Amino acid sequence: GEDVEQSLFLSVREGDSSVINCTYTDSSSTYLYWYKQEPGAGLQLLTYIFSNMDMKQDQRLTVLLNKKDKHLSLRIADTQTGDSAIYFCAESPSGYKLSFGAGTTVTVRA
Amino acid sequence: DTAVSQTPKYLVTQMGNDKSIKCEQNLGHDTMYWYKQDSKKFLKIMFSYNNKELIINETVPNRFSPKSPDKAHLNLHINSLELGDSAVYFCASSPGTRQETQYFGPGTRLLVL
Repeated sequence: GEDVEQSLFLSVREGDSSVINCTYTDSSSTYLYWYKQEPGAGLQLLTYIFSNMDMKQDQRLTVLLNKKDKHLSLRIADTQTGDSAIYFCAESPSGYKLSFGAGTTVTVRA
Repeated sequence: DTAVSQTPKYLVTQMGNDKSIKCEQNLGHDTMYWYKQDSKKFLKIMFSYNNKELIINETVPNRFSPKSPDKAHLNLHINSLELGDSAVYFCASSPGTRQETQYFGPGTRLLVL
């Protein structure tokens, strides 16, 4: 996790937008990923972005990539209670494996 | 029609025992992985196999031995279990080996007493 850094916790009110930030180190990663892990469950691929893109939108999810600063963010619009989970940012530096951040625990309050 | 499946889902065992975790994928992928998630939720790659051949071995103790009988299966055998082996072990697969999306299994929660 030392190559990918994320803040550990985020609390957001239901209906508001959530923004989860991530910084990574390897500029050779062709793809950058966001995975979601609900309590007691496995990892679910949420979305990914190709490194030559600045932004990708997928329904309530918006991914922004600043390649110069090696900064990735995930915005969840209209956050719902079902969005409470741990969100992992991941890069693929060598191409064979994923390097994950420590995960951001998102808590949605009513 | 689960894509990546693991058995067992939970495993509780005594220190010193030997245990195996199995993984199967029905996605037709060539590459499979084992990751370990510790109590702080930190995820780290352990092994990767491509078409039954080991391609990643990330300084994991040799008590851990992966085995891939075919490209749809990757099992993990652990000898002489230690308390520190308690974790969640995730299997994953991807189509090839380069910069491709990996799909994860539900995890095996191992508790060593």
